[in-house]
Amino acid sequence: QKEVEQNSGPLSVPEGAIASLNCTYSDRGSQSFFWYRQYSGKSPELIMSIYSNGDKEDGRFTAQLNKASQYVSLLIRDSQPSDSATYLCAADDPYGQNFVFGPGTRLSVLP
Amino acid sequence: NAGVTQTPKFRILKIGQSMTLQCTQDMNHNYMYWYRQDPGMGLKLIYYSVGAGITDKGEVPNGYNVSRSTTEDFPLRLELAAPSQTSVYFCASSYSGTGNTEAFFGQGTRLTVV
Repeated sequence: QKEVEQNSGPLSVPEGAIASLNCTYSDRGSQSFFWYRQYSGKSPELIMSIYSNGDKEDGRFTAQLNKASQYVSLLIRDSQPSDSATYLCAADDPYGQNFVFGPGTRLSVLP
Repeated sequence: NAGVTQTPKFRILKIGQSMTLQCTQDMNHNYMYWYRQDPGMGLKLIYYSVGAGITDKGEVPNGYNVSRSTTEDFPLRLELAAPSQTSVYFCASSYSGTGNTEAFFGQGTRLTVV
């Protein structure tokens, strides 16, 4: 069974610090990886996608992909209390043509 | 743009009752999905569809049925509601099911079975 794994947290960081979220996936055939943010009681919203090995930066967010290690990470610089949410990592299932989600990591940014 | 629209937002069902969760998207996406999310857990795939007339089971299909008669609509049917189906249900759509694409989510339906 294809799996995406994440530390469930909670991960607590002080305001202004760097938050580091990690994710591993089991299917070497996966090509596309996504980070979704989900506020309590709301639907997931996409914040980053990454398809190639290396880093991808968008504002305060940096996604990192290492396909050899089957590892994806998300760094949030200058963390703000508004970043407090659950972060879901997802990978595409190229054979099933759908997306596999991890359990999510709950991030708490303390003022 | 409406994106993915789900109705209803909230529903309470009695054990054994039936209901249909509605999902429609206006992005002309071929791929549509139904996920459920239990408290503190990630998203589990119930059913998905790669186009009108084509559906397939996901990880947790038991107790549910779907149909896809049009590109826009992908309703989820619960025939005999059970307490184990208490969850938040998310419908999503994407341009394709793999490659450089992303899934867009509806607002969710919070279902309680008592």
